[in-house]
Amino acid sequence: AQTVTQSQPEMSVQEAETVTLSCTYDTSESDYYLFWYKQPPSRQMILVIRQEAYKQQNATENRFSVNFQKAAKSFSLKISDSQLGDAAMYFCAWGNAGNMLTFGGGTRLMVKP
Amino acid sequence: NAGVTQTPKFQVLKTGQSMTLQCAQDMNHNSMYWYRQDPGMGLRLIYYSASEGTTDKGEVPNGYNVSRLNKREFSLRLESAAPSQTSVYFCASGGLGPYEQYFGPGTRLTVT
Repeated sequence: AQTVTQSQPEMSVQEAETVTLSCTYDTSESDYYLFWYKQPPSRQMILVIRQEAYKQQNATENRFSVNFQKAAKSFSLKISDSQLGDAAMYFCAWGNAGNMLTFGGGTRLMVKP
Repeated sequence: NAGVTQTPKFQVLKTGQSMTLQCAQDMNHNSMYWYRQDPGMGLRLIYYSASEGTTDKGEVPNGYNVSRLNKREFSLRLESAAPSQTSVYFCASGGLGPYEQYFGPGTRLTVT
């Protein structure tokens, strides 16, 4: 079975600064995807970024980028130029060909003005 | 294009009551999922349906049943609600690769 661990229950960042959220996972599969989802107070789960395990290049979406270390089974999310609207719960998730997602416990990100 | 819709948004039940949570998607996805999210935790898979006519258990299936009514609709039923089932329930759907899932807005269920 897969496990996903987010070791930081809470993080805070000053507006306009950069913050990195950590995620580690354990799997015996070779073909999988990793995701970061954002959950604001509205509860809606919003996909932030996705990484294919077979790609060495780290995914980037505007101010969001990942540091994917496959051998170390690490998948961190970097948010640059943090904005007040980035405040939310962030969940790391692992997915496979069966479309089964396994989620981490989440990190609450607070953004200070 | 509504994506994934869920009804109701909120529900309060007494212990022992039954209810069905409804989910529908308009993205022509084959796969649909039911998750629960307990306070301060990530989502855990209850049941999923890889295609119309099939359903399988996830991580926490006890106390629940599901029906894949057609390609669009996937319902979750609580036959005899218990306080331990107090949670937020999310429905999701997914298409062919890259394994991304799209989530509904969630149903907050309280069992007293």
